Amino acid sequence: GNSVTQMEGPVTLSEEAFLTINCTYTATGYPSLFWYVQYPGEGLQLLLKATKADDKGSNKGFEATYRKETTSFHLEKGSVQVSDSAVYFCALSVGGYNKLIFGAGTRLAVHP
Amino acid sequence: EAGVTQFPSHSVIEKGQTVTLRCDPISGHDNLYWYRRVMGKEIKFLLHFVKESKQDESGMPNNRFLAERTGGTYSTLKVQPAELEDSGVYFCASSQDLPGGRETQYFGPGTRLLVL
Repeated sequence: GNSVTQMEGPVTLSEEAFLTINCTYTATGYPSLFWYVQYPGEGLQLLLKATKADDKGSNKGFEATYRKETTSFHLEKGSVQVSDSAVYFCALSVGGYNKLIFGAGTRLAVHP
Repeated sequence: EAGVTQFPSHSVIEKGQTVTLRCDPISGHDNLYWYRRVMGKEIKFLLHFVKESKQDESGMPNNRFLAERTGGTYSTLKVQPAELEDSGVYFCASSQDLPGGRETQYFGPGTRLLVL
């Protein structure tokens, strides 16, 4: 079946530190991959996406590369800010109707 | 442009009671999805409407859950009777219906349901 596994949190970093949140997936067919972010008190927002192998999604300084050989889509940012504190969800969809399958979420806390 | 809205933002009910959640998608979005996150676990798909038709309801946990989308605009999700394990955050999302699929889903802020 289709599933997403992401690293457990919480992840606690100091401002300007390097961030990696690991995400691996299992899928039948060729999935699209997503990172969604939920800031405190808000809904889910699409952070970035990639629809085919070797694509790199990027937004707000975050990047993730679709690695088919390792079935991974790790999220990275070179220098985190306090405002990046949120819960990050890795997700995939397979087929034409976009049903999203999510990982458990990783809470990131960035301290000044 | 208004985003996806959900009502209420929070609901606290007793076991056995009925609760109805509402979702208003982005205007013009034919696809509407319901998801829920229970006790800090992963967000799970419940069902998908295309306009007023149920395209996929494979994620609905049992027959205590009833979703409707009359007229293809807003949607309601009714839980009757509510059980303790129904507590969680219920998200709604909508997307356009374009050729080829894989349109971006836009999420609402969620409804936090607590069943006591």
